[in-house]
Amino acid sequence: AQTVTQSQPEMSVQEAETVTLSCTYDTSESDYYLFWYKQPPSRQMILVIRQEAYKQQNATENRFSVNFQKAAKSFSLKISDSQLGDAAMYFCAYRSGDNNDMRFGAGTRLTVKP
Amino acid sequence: AAGVIQSPRHLIKEKRETATLKCYPIPRHDTVYWYQQGPGQDPQFLISFYEKMQSDKGSIPDRFSAQQFSDYHSELNMSSLELGDSALYFCASSLGGAQRFTDTQYFGPGTRLTVL
Repeated sequence: AQTVTQSQPEMSVQEAETVTLSCTYDTSESDYYLFWYKQPPSRQMILVIRQEAYKQQNATENRFSVNFQKAAKSFSLKISDSQLGDAAMYFCAYRSGDNNDMRFGAGTRLTVKP
Repeated sequence: AAGVIQSPRHLIKEKRETATLKCYPIPRHDTVYWYQQGPGQDPQFLISFYEKMQSDKGSIPDRFSAQQFSDYHSELNMSSLELGDSALYFCASSLGGAQRFTDTQYFGPGTRLTVL
C-alpha cells in the first residue's frame, strides 16, 4: 500500500523568507499524482499545488514550487516570500492513477513569524 | 467560482443516534469523495462515487452508507453513532469521465460532527 511520510511535524519561518516542507512516499506504481493541500485554522482543505509523476518539470504556482525527485520518491514544497497568511497545516497527498483513494501524510504545521 | 457545499456545517448527536451529511459538488463535477479527519489526524478516505455508482471504498465502517443522486449530490448516512465518530467529515468533488482518476479533488468546508 502506498504511504506518505511528512517527517517535520512543525516548521517555522520568518515573514518574507523561504521555507521547504519535506514529503516522501512509497509506491510501486508508475502512474500517480502528488499534491500539497493547505489547511488553515478554518479547517478548509485548500489545494496548493499538483504534480503529475510523468512530468519531469517541477510544478510552480506563484510563490509555491515543488522539488519532485521521482527516483528518490521525494516531493518537497518550497514557499518563497512567506506571508502571515501561509500559516497553516500542510498535507502532502498521493493519489494513484487508477483509483480514487488519496493518501495523506500526517501534516506539517507551519508558523510564520512577523 | 462555485465551490463544494456541505451541510450542515456542525452537527451534534448522541451515541447510537443517526446522522446524515450532505454534499453538493462543484457544477459539472460528477465524482464525489468522502473523507474523515479525526482530531489531530490526517484525512482518511471513506468512499467515492462516479456517475451515481460507488467507485472506490476506503476505511468506511459498515455502520456508514453513502449514495450519490441524479443531481450528483451525495449523502453520507451514519448509524449507531459512537464517540469515536466525532470528526471533521470532508466531501470533495472532481471531474469524472476519462479524468476521474487524474483530476484534482476540490474539498468542501467540512461538517464537524460531535457525538456525545
